[in-house]
Amino acid sequence: SAVISQKPSRDICQRGTSLTIQCQVDSQVTMMFWYRQQPGQSLTLIATANQGSEATYESGFVIDKFPISRPNLTFSTLTVSNMSPEDSSIYLCSVELRPNTPHEQYFGPGTRLTVT
Amino acid sequence: QKEVEQDPGPLSVPEGAIVSLNCTYSNSAFQYFMWYRQYSRKGPELLMYTYSSGNKEDGRFTAQVDKSSKYISLFIRDSQPSDSATYLCAMSGPPYGNKLVFGAGTILRVKS
Repeated sequence: SAVISQKPSRDICQRGTSLTIQCQVDSQVTMMFWYRQQPGQSLTLIATANQGSEATYESGFVIDKFPISRPNLTFSTLTVSNMSPEDSSIYLCSVELRPNTPHEQYFGPGTRLTVT
Repeated sequence: QKEVEQDPGPLSVPEGAIVSLNCTYSNSAFQYFMWYRQYSRKGPELLMYTYSSGNKEDGRFTAQVDKSSKYISLFIRDSQPSDSATYLCAMSGPPYGNKLVFGAGTILRVKS
Protein backbone atom coordinates (compact mmCIF):
# COMPACT_ATOMS: atom_id res chain seq x y z
CA SER A 1 0.00 0.00 0.00
CA ALA A 2 1.02 3.66 0.29
CA VAL A 3 1.10 6.31 2.97
CA ILE A 4 -1.32 9.05 2.01
CA SER A 5 -1.68 12.22 4.03
CA GLN A 6 -4.14 15.06 3.76
CA LYS A 7 -4.04 18.58 5.14
CA PRO A 8 -5.97 19.95 6.87
CA SER A 9 -7.65 17.05 8.63
CA ARG A 10 -10.62 19.26 9.39
CA ASP A 11 -11.71 22.88 9.10
CA ILE A 12 -14.64 25.13 9.80
CA CYS A 13 -15.08 27.82 7.17
CA GLN A 14 -17.44 30.70 6.52
CA ARG A 15 -19.67 30.71 3.48
CA GLY A 16 -18.23 32.52 0.50
CA THR A 17 -14.63 31.63 1.32
CA SER A 18 -12.39 28.99 -0.28
CA LEU A 19 -10.36 26.15 1.18
CA THR A 20 -7.48 24.27 -0.43
CA ILE A 21 -6.94 20.66 0.60
CA GLN A 22 -3.59 18.99 0.05
CA CYS A 23 -2.92 15.33 -0.67
CA GLN A 24 0.60 13.90 -0.40
CA VAL A 25 1.66 10.33 -1.26
CA ASP A 26 4.92 8.71 -0.21
CA SER A 27 5.54 7.23 -3.66
CA GLN A 28 5.00 8.23 -7.26
CA VAL A 29 1.57 7.23 -8.53
CA THR A 30 -0.08 7.49 -11.90
CA MET A 31 -3.67 8.11 -10.90
CA MET A 32 -4.98 10.37 -8.16
CA PHE A 33 -8.65 10.97 -7.48
CA TRP A 34 -10.75 13.29 -5.37
CA TYR A 35 -13.99 12.11 -3.74
CA ARG A 36 -16.68 13.68 -1.64
CA GLN A 37 -18.53 11.84 1.11
CA GLN A 38 -21.54 13.72 2.41
CA PRO A 39 -22.87 12.90 5.89
CA GLY A 40 -24.28 9.38 6.00
CA GLN A 41 -23.64 8.85 2.31
CA SER A 42 -21.24 6.88 0.17
CA LEU A 43 -18.37 8.20 -1.90
CA THR A 44 -18.91 10.34 -4.99
CA LEU A 45 -16.06 10.89 -7.41
CA ILE A 46 -15.40 14.58 -8.04
CA ALA A 47 -12.54 14.34 -10.52
CA THR A 48 -9.40 12.59 -11.65
CA ALA A 49 -6.28 14.66 -11.05
CA ASN A 50 -4.04 14.36 -14.10
CA GLN A 51 -0.36 15.15 -13.84
CA GLY A 52 0.62 17.83 -16.32
CA SER A 53 -2.87 18.47 -17.64
CA GLU A 54 -6.29 19.63 -16.56
CA ALA A 55 -8.30 17.44 -14.23
CA THR A 56 -11.16 15.34 -15.58
CA TYR A 57 -14.41 16.20 -13.81
CA GLU A 58 -17.44 14.01 -13.25
CA SER A 59 -20.94 15.06 -14.12
CA GLY A 60 -22.17 17.66 -11.66
CA PHE A 61 -18.72 18.97 -10.75
CA VAL A 62 -17.03 21.91 -12.45
CA ILE A 63 -13.56 23.37 -12.45
CA ASP A 64 -14.66 26.80 -11.26
CA LYS A 65 -16.07 25.30 -8.09
CA PHE A 66 -13.44 22.59 -7.51
CA PRO A 67 -10.14 23.60 -9.13
CA ILE A 68 -7.52 20.86 -8.90
CA SER A 69 -3.78 20.95 -9.31
CA ARG A 70 -1.39 18.03 -9.83
CA PRO A 71 2.11 19.45 -10.16
CA ASN A 72 3.90 16.10 -9.81
CA LEU A 73 3.35 12.38 -9.27
CA THR A 74 3.14 12.58 -5.47
CA PHE A 75 1.01 15.65 -4.76
CA SER A 76 -2.36 17.16 -5.58
CA THR A 77 -4.62 19.90 -4.25
CA LEU A 78 -8.37 20.36 -4.35
CA THR A 79 -9.87 23.79 -3.74
CA VAL A 80 -13.48 24.17 -2.68
CA SER A 81 -14.42 27.64 -3.88
CA ASN A 82 -17.09 30.09 -2.78
CA MET A 83 -18.30 27.64 -0.17
CA SER A 84 -21.87 27.20 0.99
CA PRO A 85 -23.23 24.98 3.79
CA GLU A 86 -24.05 22.35 1.14
CA ASP A 87 -20.30 21.86 0.68
CA SER A 88 -20.00 20.52 4.22
CA SER A 89 -18.61 17.08 3.65
CA ILE A 90 -15.60 14.82 3.94
CA TYR A 91 -13.19 15.22 1.03
CA LEU A 92 -10.94 12.26 0.28
CA CYS A 93 -8.08 11.74 -2.09
CA SER A 94 -7.23 8.30 -3.38
CA VAL A 95 -4.43 6.84 -5.46
CA GLU A 96 -3.92 3.94 -7.77
CA LEU A 97 -0.46 2.61 -7.00
CA ARG A 98 0.17 0.92 -10.32
CA PRO A 99 -1.27 1.71 -13.75
CA ASN A 100 -4.61 0.14 -14.59
CA THR A 101 -5.25 -1.30 -11.15
CA PRO A 102 -8.53 0.32 -10.05
CA HIS A 103 -9.03 -2.64 -7.74
CA GLU A 104 -6.05 -1.45 -5.70
CA GLN A 105 -7.08 2.08 -4.92
CA TYR A 106 -6.05 3.50 -1.55
CA PHE A 107 -7.54 6.41 0.30
CA GLY A 108 -6.21 9.19 2.45
CA PRO A 109 -7.66 9.92 5.90
CA GLY A 110 -9.99 12.61 4.60
CA THR A 111 -10.60 16.29 5.30
CA ARG A 112 -13.75 17.05 7.27
CA LEU A 113 -15.12 20.40 6.13
CA THR A 114 -17.89 22.30 7.87
CA VAL A 115 -19.24 25.46 6.25
CA THR A 116 -21.18 27.87 8.45
CA GLN B 1 -32.16 2.78 -9.65
CA LYS B 2 -28.59 2.88 -8.36
CA GLU B 3 -26.01 0.82 -10.17
CA VAL B 4 -24.81 -0.72 -6.89
CA GLU B 5 -27.27 -1.40 -4.10
CA GLN B 6 -26.21 -1.98 -0.51
CA ASP B 7 -28.38 -2.08 2.59
CA PRO B 8 -27.19 0.75 4.88
CA GLY B 9 -28.13 -1.14 8.07
CA PRO B 10 -27.21 -0.75 10.82
CA LEU B 11 -26.50 -4.43 11.31
CA SER B 12 -26.03 -5.32 14.95
CA VAL B 13 -24.56 -8.71 15.96
CA PRO B 14 -23.09 -10.27 19.12
CA GLU B 15 -19.37 -10.86 19.36
CA GLY B 16 -18.35 -14.14 17.75
CA ALA B 17 -21.19 -14.17 15.22
CA ILE B 18 -20.73 -14.75 11.51
CA VAL B 19 -21.54 -11.58 9.62
CA SER B 20 -22.81 -11.48 6.05
CA LEU B 21 -22.65 -8.22 4.12
CA ASN B 22 -24.03 -8.00 0.61
CA CYS B 23 -24.29 -5.88 -2.51
CA THR B 24 -26.20 -6.27 -5.73
CA TYR B 25 -25.37 -4.58 -8.98
CA SER B 26 -26.84 -4.09 -12.42
CA ASN B 27 -23.82 -3.69 -14.73
CA SER B 28 -22.79 -7.14 -15.95
CA ALA B 29 -19.51 -5.71 -17.29
CA PHE B 30 -18.04 -5.10 -13.83
CA GLN B 31 -14.84 -7.12 -13.46
CA TYR B 32 -13.35 -6.27 -10.07
CA PHE B 33 -15.23 -6.31 -6.79
CA MET B 34 -13.77 -4.64 -3.72
CA TRP B 35 -14.63 -4.34 -0.07
CA TYR B 36 -13.54 -1.35 1.97
CA ARG B 37 -13.80 -0.86 5.71
CA GLN B 38 -14.25 2.65 7.05
CA TYR B 39 -13.95 3.46 10.72
CA SER B 40 -15.60 6.58 12.03
CA ARG B 41 -13.70 9.72 11.02
CA LYS B 42 -11.19 7.74 8.93
CA GLY B 43 -10.68 7.10 5.23
CA PRO B 44 -11.81 3.83 3.62
CA GLU B 45 -9.34 0.96 3.96
CA LEU B 46 -9.13 -1.65 1.21
CA LEU B 47 -9.88 -5.06 2.75
CA MET B 48 -9.80 -7.28 -0.30
CA TYR B 49 -10.77 -7.57 -3.93
CA THR B 50 -11.97 -10.34 -6.18
CA TYR B 51 -11.66 -10.63 -9.92
CA SER B 52 -14.70 -12.00 -11.73
CA SER B 53 -16.54 -14.83 -9.98
CA GLY B 54 -15.45 -17.00 -7.12
CA ASN B 55 -14.29 -16.83 -3.54
CA LYS B 56 -11.33 -15.24 -1.83
CA GLU B 57 -10.33 -15.74 1.77
CA ASP B 58 -8.10 -13.61 3.97
CA GLY B 59 -8.03 -14.55 7.63
CA ARG B 60 -11.52 -14.12 9.07
CA PHE B 61 -12.79 -12.47 5.90
CA THR B 62 -14.21 -14.23 2.84
CA ALA B 63 -15.40 -12.44 -0.29
CA GLN B 64 -17.75 -14.12 -2.73
CA VAL B 65 -18.84 -13.03 -6.18
CA ASP B 66 -21.76 -14.54 -8.08
CA LYS B 67 -21.77 -12.84 -11.45
CA SER B 68 -24.75 -14.83 -12.71
CA SER B 69 -26.87 -13.30 -9.93
CA LYS B 70 -24.99 -9.97 -9.87
CA TYR B 71 -24.50 -10.45 -6.15
CA ILE B 72 -21.42 -10.12 -3.95
CA SER B 73 -20.90 -10.92 -0.29
CA LEU B 74 -18.38 -10.38 2.46
CA PHE B 75 -18.40 -12.83 5.34
CA ILE B 76 -16.72 -12.09 8.64
CA ARG B 77 -16.14 -15.05 10.94
CA ASP B 78 -15.75 -14.77 14.70
CA SER B 79 -16.70 -11.11 14.59
CA GLN B 80 -15.02 -8.78 17.07
CA PRO B 81 -16.01 -5.38 18.46
CA SER B 82 -13.07 -3.99 16.49
CA ASP B 83 -14.92 -5.00 13.31
CA SER B 84 -17.54 -2.34 14.05
CA ALA B 85 -17.31 0.01 11.09
CA THR B 86 -18.98 0.90 7.81
CA TYR B 87 -18.33 -1.61 5.04
CA LEU B 88 -18.42 -0.32 1.49
CA CYS B 89 -18.54 -2.46 -1.61
CA ALA B 90 -17.04 -1.02 -4.79
CA MET B 91 -16.80 -2.24 -8.36
CA SER B 92 -14.86 -1.42 -11.47
CA GLY B 93 -15.06 -2.31 -15.12
CA PRO B 94 -16.47 -1.04 -18.42
CA PRO B 95 -17.61 1.58 -19.11
CA TYR B 96 -16.00 3.17 -16.04
CA GLY B 97 -12.34 2.48 -16.74
CA ASN B 98 -10.30 3.31 -13.62
CA LYS B 99 -13.23 4.71 -11.70
CA LEU B 100 -14.87 2.93 -8.82
CA VAL B 101 -18.61 2.68 -8.29
CA PHE B 102 -19.47 2.46 -4.60
CA GLY B 103 -22.39 1.09 -2.69
CA ALA B 104 -23.95 3.17 0.07
CA GLY B 105 -22.10 1.28 2.81
CA THR B 106 -23.44 -0.95 5.60
CA ILE B 107 -22.92 0.08 9.22
CA LEU B 108 -21.88 -2.94 11.30
CA ARG B 109 -21.97 -2.99 15.08
CA VAL B 110 -20.48 -5.93 16.95
CA LYS B 111 -21.52 -5.99 20.58
CA SER B 112 -19.33 -7.51 23.28
